[in-house]
Amino acid sequence: GQNIDQPTEMTATEGAIVQINCTYQTSGFNGLFWYQQHAGEAPTFLSYNVLDGLEEKGRFSSFLSRSKGYSYLLLKELQMKDSASYLCAVIDSNYQLIWGAGTKLIIKP
Amino acid sequence: DAGVIQSPRHEVTEMGQEVTLRCKPISGHNSLFWYRQTMMRGLELLIYFNNNVPIDDSGMPEDRFSAKMPNASFSTLKIQPSEPRDSAVYFCASTPGTSDAETQYFGPGTRLLVL
Repeated sequence: GQNIDQPTEMTATEGAIVQINCTYQTSGFNGLFWYQQHAGEAPTFLSYNVLDGLEEKGRFSSFLSRSKGYSYLLLKELQMKDSASYLCAVIDSNYQLIWGAGTKLIIKP
Repeated sequence: DAGVIQSPRHEVTEMGQEVTLRCKPISGHNSLFWYRQTMMRGLELLIYFNNNVPIDDSGMPEDRFSAKMPNASFSTLKIQPSEPRDSAVYFCASTPGTSDAETQYFGPGTRLLVL
């Protein structure tokens, strides 16, 4: 079956760095998304990886290793507004999008 | 651009009543998706349309749920009759192309509570 694993919840301190991991077992792979979802709001696009390596975008970076079925989202210089859920989603061989359950990130001052 | 528009933003209804959720995708987008999100089950794809045609409705829970897209700028998701377990946030999303393998633009969601 198709499966995406993310930690349910993480806590970090303002100004610090946090890494949110995502492992997947899917029928094929055609890309991976990270979305951010603030409480009570809709998911919004953060990043897309299809090749191995690190994609950097400001304070946020996303890494992919296709051979390991693994990705992480790295958030630097954490701000209180980064408190949100972070959803990992994988495109399988049928170009269907498989969503993870999300990781709730709590930022403490 | 106004983004994806959904209405109503909140709906409270009694078990057995019909509920209709509405969505206007971003102008020019060719695909539209209906999702349901709950704490227990996370984000679930219910159905999606390409060029107004339903492509995959395997996520629709049961016959009580139906969706239509009569034109490129409007879609509805109907629940009849509604049940308490249908309580969730329903999101509509759209993409420029014809696949969900693209960045999806989500509407603000409709928060449904069935009593």
